[in-house]
Amino acid sequence: QSALTQEASVSGTVGQKVTLSCTGNSNNIGRYAVAWVQQVSHGAPKTVMFGESLPSGIPDRFSGSQSGTTASLIISGLQPEDEADYFCSTWDYSLSAQVFGGGTKLTVL
Amino acid sequence: EVHLVESGGGLVKPGGSLRLSCAASGFTFSNAWMHWVRQAPGKGLEWVGRIKTKALGGTTDYAAPVKGRFSVSRDDSKNTLYLQMNNLKSEDTAVYYCTTESRLWFGVIDFWGPGALVTVSS
Repeated sequence: QSALTQEASVSGTVGQKVTLSCTGNSNNIGRYAVAWVQQVSHGAPKTVMFGESLPSGIPDRFSGSQSGTTASLIISGLQPEDEADYFCSTWDYSLSAQVFGGGTKLTVL
Repeated sequence: EVHLVESGGGLVKPGGSLRLSCAASGFTFSNAWMHWVRQAPGKGLEWVGRIKTKALGGTTDYAAPVKGRFSVSRDDSKNTLYLQMNNLKSEDTAVYYCTTESRLWFGVIDFWGPGALVTVSS
């Protein structure tokens, strides 16, 4: 059972806007910024968003939002190369541990 | 550019030990909090442990499944992070990733290495 809850799968067509969500509690998302991690075909993970900030080199079709105990990753103008597993992550104050969501498999139709 | 490269992975028998290394470059290693994250075959990402900077005492934290068996350490003179794994179990079989924590955002992992595969099997 993951500390953070994500949808198991989300799909969209090329050019569509999709939103992935991550739900936690007051000890994790309610306290700290969330990172979104992309993993393409079980390759090395890559952080594509933290808080509402876009890391250098990540396309600006990626954006993030965070409110209360929920975080979202929004991909506007979905591209075939965005097909991947996406994990959310942050620190948990009460567990004194880094926590991850179970991951969302994004399929581009 | 941040560069992290893990080494030392391989096949080990249950109950055995293994030490992973992570060579870091492209940033001031001594100022960085570092984490190990693993991924078992077909599974999601699982946090293993973290080490703070020497300035903060080099304090470590561990996930419950590895506490007492794994140890994270660092050698700032060599820009290298280590993961000592003892009493290995089959469920420790995974790709192990070396990662950095953002200096601007607490609890945010921002860079990842390519990973090292550890297989625990008799």
